[in-house]
Amino acid sequence: KAGVTQTPRYLIKTRGQQVTLSCSPISGHRSVSWYQQTPGQGLQFLFEYFSETQRNKGNFPGRFSGRQFSNSRSEMNVSTLELGDSALYLCASRLAATDTQYFGPGTRLTVL
Amino acid sequence: GENVEQHPSTLSVQEGDSAVIKCTYSDSASNYFPWYKQELGKRPQLIIDIRSNVGEKKDQRIAVTLNKTAKHFSLHITETQPEDSAVYFCAAVNGGSQGNLIFGKGTKLSVKP
Repeated sequence: KAGVTQTPRYLIKTRGQQVTLSCSPISGHRSVSWYQQTPGQGLQFLFEYFSETQRNKGNFPGRFSGRQFSNSRSEMNVSTLELGDSALYLCASRLAATDTQYFGPGTRLTVL
Repeated sequence: GENVEQHPSTLSVQEGDSAVIKCTYSDSASNYFPWYKQELGKRPQLIIDIRSNVGEKKDQRIAVTLNKTAKHFSLHITETQPEDSAVYFCAAVNGGSQGNLIFGKGTKLSVKP
């Protein structure tokens, strides 16, 4: 089976812009979680989507949003970018009713 | 909510020695504890996990132990090899939310040949 894929892999934006990141889960996985990874804060949970519904949300401002499509692909959007949003954004997928999350390669976002 | 503490932040060992990384968690409802290895520029990869109904699990040179009473779990790597060098993260499920992992800050393991 193909692993979790994310596009784009690298992105450079300027402050105030918005960005959309995409995640395609492993075939058959209906849960997609998003995480932000920075050197200072480590890996932090953003939100989880399951069957097109947001199940959980981490402690991030409303500028961070997401959605999931009927084929389980997920997108996350960050509006009004700030310098502090520069990070590696990882998504992870899992089978329903299981615990194991498999990570994608991440999207490296740089905000100038 | 859940909070996970991980120690040490850096660990250097000689090839062939053992390495131990320890984590503590705060939420007694947490029931799943994975360990991920992340090499530079790569995605986190699951190396072993343990559920709260098990005290210990082993997979070749890697083992994890869980003490639910004390709320701590540990990763043990024996006969370390240079390719074990990476950052290791422990995590715990946040309460009953299986898709929400709370991670420790990571341990950078260096194995010197």
